[in-house]
Amino acid sequence: EAEVAQSPRYKITEKSQAVAFWCDPISGHATLYWYRQILGQGPELLVQFQDESVVDDSQLPKDRFSAERLKGVDSTLKIQPAELGDSAMYLCASSSLPSGGKEQFFGPGTRLTVL
Amino acid sequence: AQTVTQSQPEMSVQEAETVTLSCTYDTSESDYYLFWYKQPPSRQMILVIRQEAYKQQNATENRFSVNFQKAAKSFSLKISDSQLGDAAMYFCAYRSPLYNNNDMRFGAGTRLTVKP
Repeated sequence: EAEVAQSPRYKITEKSQAVAFWCDPISGHATLYWYRQILGQGPELLVQFQDESVVDDSQLPKDRFSAERLKGVDSTLKIQPAELGDSAMYLCASSSLPSGGKEQFFGPGTRLTVL
Repeated sequence: AQTVTQSQPEMSVQEAETVTLSCTYDTSESDYYLFWYKQPPSRQMILVIRQEAYKQQNATENRFSVNFQKAAKSFSLKISDSQLGDAAMYFCAYRSPLYNNNDMRFGAGTRLTVKP
C-alpha cells in the first residue's frame, strides 16, 4: 500500500541552527501539505502545494521557514534559524486533488526538538 | 474563521463497550466537510470517517459512526465494540470545499484509552 514518506523521523538541534525535513508524497498526488503539530494540539497547516506551486502559505513564518517542491513531487521544509518554540511534530500529507472532500494521507512525521 | 472544539481531552472505555467522542465547530458556510482522524502512538494519522454537510444521513464505517447535527454544529464519533487497537488520539477536522480557502482545521484532540 502506498504511503507518504518523511525523513528524518527525529531531529534534535540547537537553536540558531538550520534544519530541513523531506517528504515524498504518494505517487500521483498533486496536492501536498505541511503541518505543524505542537504537543497536545491538533495539526495546523503551514503550506499547501498544488504540483510545484504554493497555493497557501499564509501561516508559514516566512522570516525563518521556507518550503519548496521544485519538480512537483517531493518537498523540503526548512527552518533557519531554529528557535526553541519550533519544537513540534512536522507532518506531511498528500491528496490526489485539492478539493475539500478528498482524503489527506499523512506521513509518520518528523519530531523536532530544539535545545 | 472556522474553529473546531473537542471538549474531552481524555476518554476511556472498556474493551467491547461503546464510547462517544464529542466535537463542535463554528462556521458560517452551508456546505463543508467534516472528518475524524485517528493518530495511534508513534504512527501516522489515518482517516476514520468523513461526512459531507449536505448529506443528512450519518456516515458509518464498520464499528465507527457519526451523529451529525448540522443545526447544532455538532459532529460526534461513536465507536462500538471497542478494541485495544482503537487506543489513539482522535482528531475532529473541518474543511471548506472552496479551492482557495480549504485548509483543514483540526480540534485539539481526544486521547482514547481502551481498558482490557
